[in-house]
Amino acid sequence: GAVVSQHPSRVICKSGTSVKIECRSLDFQATTMFWYRQFPKQSLMLMATSNEGSKATYEQGVEKDKFLINHASLTLSTLTVTSAHPEDSSFYICSARDGLSGGFEQYFGPGTRLTVT
Amino acid sequence: QQQVKQSPQSLIVQKGGISIINCAYENTAFDYFPWYQQFPGKGPALLIAIRPDVSEKKEGRFTISFNKSAKQFSLHIMDSQPGDSATYFCAVPNTGTASKLTFGTGTRLQVTL
Repeated sequence: GAVVSQHPSRVICKSGTSVKIECRSLDFQATTMFWYRQFPKQSLMLMATSNEGSKATYEQGVEKDKFLINHASLTLSTLTVTSAHPEDSSFYICSARDGLSGGFEQYFGPGTRLTVT
Repeated sequence: QQQVKQSPQSLIVQKGGISIINCAYENTAFDYFPWYQQFPGKGPALLIAIRPDVSEKKEGRFTISFNKSAKQFSLHIMDSQPGDSATYFCAVPNTGTASKLTFGTGTRLQVTL
C-alpha cells in the first residue's frame, strides 16, 4: 500500500519551455500533496503544499508564477515549471499524505530528474 | 522555522556493525518522528517512524530511540549490510503546520564488506 507514482522520471527540455510533472497516489486518497526539490547531495527542500480543490501554499522564496501547482483530484497533483532555465535543473519529488487515515506519514514518489539545456 | 540538526554527515561501517545516526530538533507541533532512506536517483522511502508514547521502537534491524527532554532521536541499524548503503534523513513535523515535515541534512551511510 501507500504507493505514489511520478511521471516522467526524466525530462530534458530547452530553456524557455514549460514542463509538467505528474504525481499520483495509486492506492489511497491524498488530501495533501507536497512538492520538493533536491539538489545533488543535499536535503529535500519543500517548495509547496497542495490540498485538493484549493490553491497551493508556497514556501518562502519559491516563485508561484514559475512553479504552477494543481491538485485537481484526491489522487493527482501536477507541477508545471514554466519558462524553464538551466538553474531549474534539479530532482523534483512529490509526496502524498493520506489525510483520511489521520496519520502524519508522507509517502514519496520516485522523483523526476529535470534537465534544462 | 524548525531547525533540524542531523549527524554525522557521513558514516562508514563494516558489514555486521552498528550504524547510529542522530537527529536534534528545536520544537515540534506533534510527536511524530520518521526516518527516510534514499538510494541514488530514487525518492525517499519511509523506513521507520515513532510516536513517542514509547521511547524506543524496533522494526527488524532498525530501531528508533527517542529522548523527549533532550529533543533528540536516533536511528540504529543493527547488523549493517552493504544493501543498507544509502542516504538517511530524519524529519520533524513543522510547528506551523503539522502536516509539513522539515528534513535533516542527511547522512550518507556506506557499509563495507
